[in-house]
Amino acid sequence: QSALTQPASVSGSPGQSITISCTGTSSDVGSYNLVSWYQQHPGKAPKFMIYEVSKRPSGVSNRFSGSKSGNTASLTISGLQAEDEADYYCCSYASSSPFVFGTGTKVTVL
Amino acid sequence: EVQLVESGGGLVEPGGSLRLSCAASGLTFSNAWMSWVRQAPGKGLEWVGRIKSKIDGGTTDYAAPVKGKFTISRDDSSNTLYLHMNSLKIEDTAVYYCTTGAGDFDNWGQGTLVTVSS
Repeated sequence: QSALTQPASVSGSPGQSITISCTGTSSDVGSYNLVSWYQQHPGKAPKFMIYEVSKRPSGVSNRFSGSKSGNTASLTISGLQAEDEADYYCCSYASSSPFVFGTGTKVTVL
Repeated sequence: EVQLVESGGGLVEPGGSLRLSCAASGLTFSNAWMSWVRQAPGKGLEWVGRIKSKIDGGTTDYAAPVKGKFTISRDDSSNTLYLHMNSLKIEDTAVYYCTTGAGDFDNWGQGTLVTVSS
């Protein structure tokens, strides 16, 4: 099972919106609404940000939103803040694995 | 508040074995599906395997790179998850995280570092 494809880096200025893509196949992202997203600051454990494509766990800012179209899921961060600078990973249920993570995206706040 | 505390990491020679533990609190552990996720130094996250709750069958699933080498078990009486690792290779060097969740990973421990080196 190959990793889901994410851009290596995305950047934006404070207050802007950015979107991180997560591209899989019809065997994972395209077939299941079990896409989740994780934020990881350097040296820290990942934090659960989005589940089932677009749902936010309690305590996660509504500046974070998720969506999916075909084999590609997306995470949008609105009103970008300095504290959003981190690595972000998507994850999908997969027919063969059963889980596969994305390659990870480094978000830089300019 | 859910707390997951991993332990058991350390330095091991190639071909060696190691057992990691994850002590869970703040949840009904016996009902929880548990997974191990690892992260090699400077690399991304990689799902290792999971164990379902006993009421859901208690079965295990593993990622292809560790199938046959790693075994996940649980002790619901002590709220502890285990990862038994055999035939370790240099590429198994990583921080190993214990997580909860069935379709995602909603709680994470702080991780324990396993270094495979001669």
